[in-house]
Amino acid sequence: KAGVTQTPRYLIKTRGQQVTLSCSPISGHRSVSWYQQTPGQGLQFLFEYFSETQRNKGNFPGRFSGRQFSNSRSEMNVSTLELGDSALYLCASRWTSGSPNTGELFFGEGSRLTVL
Amino acid sequence: DQQVKQNSPSLSVQEGRISILNCDYTNSMFDYFLWYKKYPAEGPTFLISISSIKDKNEDGRFTVFLNKSAKHLSLHIVPSQPGDSAVYFCAARLSNQAGTALIFGKGTTLSVSS
Repeated sequence: KAGVTQTPRYLIKTRGQQVTLSCSPISGHRSVSWYQQTPGQGLQFLFEYFSETQRNKGNFPGRFSGRQFSNSRSEMNVSTLELGDSALYLCASRWTSGSPNTGELFFGEGSRLTVL
Repeated sequence: DQQVKQNSPSLSVQEGRISILNCDYTNSMFDYFLWYKKYPAEGPTFLISISSIKDKNEDGRFTVFLNKSAKHLSLHIVPSQPGDSAVYFCAARLSNQAGTALIFGKGTTLSVSS
């Protein structure tokens, strides 16, 4: 079974630009979450999508947004990029039915964003 | 306000010895606790979890202990192997009607020397 796939793996942008990252979850997983990893802050929760609806949101400004499509694939968008947005953006998917449901997340390899 | 804390940024252990990674939390509403392992340039991979109603869970060389009164959990790796060298993240699950989120600690880098 294929794992979580994220594209692109690496990208460089300049301040003020916007970026879109893509995530394909594991087949059958309907929940997709996004996390930001930075050296100083560790992994921070951005948002979770299920059935094309945002179910939960972390403490990030409105410049960070996302969406989920009917096939469970998800995208996240960051507008008006700032230097501090440089980070590894991780997508994760999980089962949402059946038991036991420990909430275990399966992560992709991430998209490394550098903002210059 | 850090709800999940890993106070040791790094830990060095000799091969064959026990590695103990610690994690503290503040929110009593967490219902599951998980440990993830991360190698450079890879996404985190799930290691082991424990329900908040249990105090111990074991899976091969990995055991997680939960002390609810102290709001503390630990991951024991016995025996430690060089391949265990990675960053270990403690995570706590927060579920509500809206959805689920994992709150992560900042990680502990484990180095196992041969």
